[in-house]
Amino acid sequence: ETGVTQTPRHLVMGMTNKKSLKCEQHLGHNAMYWYKQSAKKPLELMFVYSLEERVENNSVPSRFSPECPNSSHLFLHLHTLQPEDSALYLCASSQSATGESYEQYFGPGTRLTVT
Amino acid sequence: AQKITQTQPGMFVQEKEAVTLDCTYDTSDPSYGLFWYKQPSSGEMIFLIYQGSYDQQNATEGRYSLNFQKARKSANLVISASQLGDSAMYFCAMREGSSGYSTLTFGKGTMLLVSP
Repeated sequence: ETGVTQTPRHLVMGMTNKKSLKCEQHLGHNAMYWYKQSAKKPLELMFVYSLEERVENNSVPSRFSPECPNSSHLFLHLHTLQPEDSALYLCASSQSATGESYEQYFGPGTRLTVT
Repeated sequence: AQKITQTQPGMFVQEKEAVTLDCTYDTSDPSYGLFWYKQPSSGEMIFLIYQGSYDQQNATEGRYSLNFQKARKSANLVISASQLGDSAMYFCAMREGSSGYSTLTFGKGTMLLVSP
């Protein structure tokens, strides 16, 4: 595998289900991100992990719970979601160092539908 | 106020012609970076080009160039010799400050359609 991979690619879940999205990066990066992309809205940053520590949490509801067990893996645990949470969820990674700015590499996304 | 503004919801261009996608930004931070990404219908965001606020020259990557006008706070993407495979959504994004990780703010995007 190369780059950033995400599984599953498509997910349909009921509002009472619990599911997890998985992201894996094979680039040796030290920062990972979760974004939400809804129709006709800009990408919204949800969470940032740098060196396996959560450094940003942009007012995301508690029904979304991230986990970063190591620098290569990132999870997004979902429970009791709402229909408005249906969106494309994108994972990204970057190699960051103070004073520099490295581009983020994105995975293919998970298309989530909440019924 | 929006930090990244892309005023063109959609653009049409014929194959082999050049096209410019507009992006203006708003920041008071002297250190920032500007990025362009391409998103085909498959969903993956593909990095195209980067311009740092202190870079003296416009960035270029193959057929992509970034027309950086700092005083006007614009960072337009120029695609030369358009190809059918260039049809996609294009997003402009900005990173502010120089923290140890890269938090990006994205614009709403421009849909580019390349016709034969």
